[in-house]
Amino acid sequence: EADIYQTPRYLVIGTGKKITLECSQTMGHDKMYWYQQDPGMELHLIHYSYGVNSTEKGDLSSESTVSRIRTEHFPLTLESARPSHTSQYLCASSEGTVDYEQYFGPGTRLTVT
Amino acid sequence: AQKVTQAQTEISVVEKEDVTLDCVYETRDTTYYLFWYKQPPSGELVFLIRRNSFDEQNEISGRYSWNFQKSTSSFNFTITASQVVDSAVYFCALSGGANTGNQFYFGTGTSLTVIP
Repeated sequence: EADIYQTPRYLVIGTGKKITLECSQTMGHDKMYWYQQDPGMELHLIHYSYGVNSTEKGDLSSESTVSRIRTEHFPLTLESARPSHTSQYLCASSEGTVDYEQYFGPGTRLTVT
Repeated sequence: AQKVTQAQTEISVVEKEDVTLDCVYETRDTTYYLFWYKQPPSGELVFLIRRNSFDEQNEISGRYSWNFQKSTSSFNFTITASQVVDSAVYFCALSGGANTGNQFYFGTGTSLTVIP
């Protein structure tokens, strides 16, 4: 059973607000990922990290930023939310890189009005 | 290019029927890994299986089975005697080495509905 947590689970916020989506894992995994997914659609990688102080952008252009100051914590920040940011955001972690499965959190469903 | 294709967008079956979900992949890597995930209506992705490119042995886990064929670049997933709880979106994923940028590539998913 994976132990990866995301808060909040649901968020409705107005345009222009700054928001931070939290992601924490208790498995000691070095690798962590953020994906964006419209309901039932494919996942798009927006950020990933291979360890503390390591962050990279994924395939999907994103106006968000991430930080990795502690192994267990990988928050995602939107400086100025827009309606186009409305989506589900999934956080994942893995023990290794390509040869290990990723474990996913429950997701944050974000609506920007 | 690295790519995963799940041509079946939506499938509906009646409970107790068998169903196969197709997954076709493209990669230039000789070493790569394939995965299946289940996403129930709650939204969380649940890991089902991992397979590496050197292991073509099929696998069975309860009502689930997977058929990996390198010759056709396919990694299909069969659910035997389907149940309503199997209703979910199923994603196939590919990861590999340098050509995939050490990232996962997910297919577009197949939405399975099991009708009671």
